[in-house]
Amino acid sequence: EIVLTQSPGTLSLSPGERATLSCRASQSVSSTYLAWYQQKPGQAPRLLIYGASSRATGVPDRFTGSGSGTDFTLTISGLEPEDFAVYYCQQSYSSPTYTFGQGTKLEIK
Amino acid sequence: QVQVVQSGAEVKKPGASVKVSCKASGYTFTGYYMHWVRQAPGQGPEWMGWINPNSGGTHYAQRFQGRVTMTRDTSISTVYMELSRLRSDDTAVYYCARDNAIVVGFDYWGQGTLVTVSS
Repeated sequence: EIVLTQSPGTLSLSPGERATLSCRASQSVSSTYLAWYQQKPGQAPRLLIYGASSRATGVPDRFTGSGSGTDFTLTISGLEPEDFAVYYCQQSYSSPTYTFGQGTKLEIK
Repeated sequence: QVQVVQSGAEVKKPGASVKVSCKASGYTFTGYYMHWVRQAPGQGPEWMGWINPNSGGTHYAQRFQGRVTMTRDTSISTVYMELSRLRSDDTAVYYCARDNAIVVGFDYWGQGTLVTVSS
C-alpha cells in the first residue's frame, strides 16, 4: 500500500501570506494520479487539484499544485479567509486501491 | 446539474449492520465509478472501496473485506454500501464520491451519512 505522509500537521498563517503544504509518498506515484482536496468543517471534501497540478473547475488560481515522483506540494498564494481549512492529498496510482494522506490543517495565526 | 444525495443518519448497536444509500442524478449513472470513503471524528478520510455501476464490479480495501458489500440499482441510479458486524470504531461519517476518470479525482461527493455505533 502506498502511504502518503503530509506535513506539517498544522500550519498557522495570516491572511495574505503564502502557504506551502507537502505530501510525500512511500513510493513513486505518477503525477497523473495525485490529487488534493480541501475540507471545511461539516462539509465533504472538495476536489482542488488533479494530475498533481491541474486546478479543478472553479478553483482560484492562487492554488497551485506541483511535484513528481514521491514529493508533491500544494501552494496557496495570498491566503484568503475562506482558505483556512484542512487539506488532503490522495493517490490513485495504486488503483484499484486508493489512499489519502492524514491531512494538514491550515489555521489562522 | 450533478447531484449525489445520501440517506440519513443511522444509530446501530455493536454487531449490527448498516446500509447507506447514495442516489445520483444529472449525469449518466453507469459512466462513472462510485467510491465510498469514511471519516471518523477528527480523522482524515479513509478509502473503503468502489463499485462500477455499469457492471456491478467492486473492489474493497483489504481492511474491510468480508464486512463491506457495495451494490447498485441502475433503475434508480443508486449505489449502496452495507457494513456488517459493526464496532464502536466504525462510528464515522460515510461519504460516496464520484470518480471522474478524466480528471482522475473524486469530483462530486454526497453530503455524508453519520453512522453511530453505540450500545
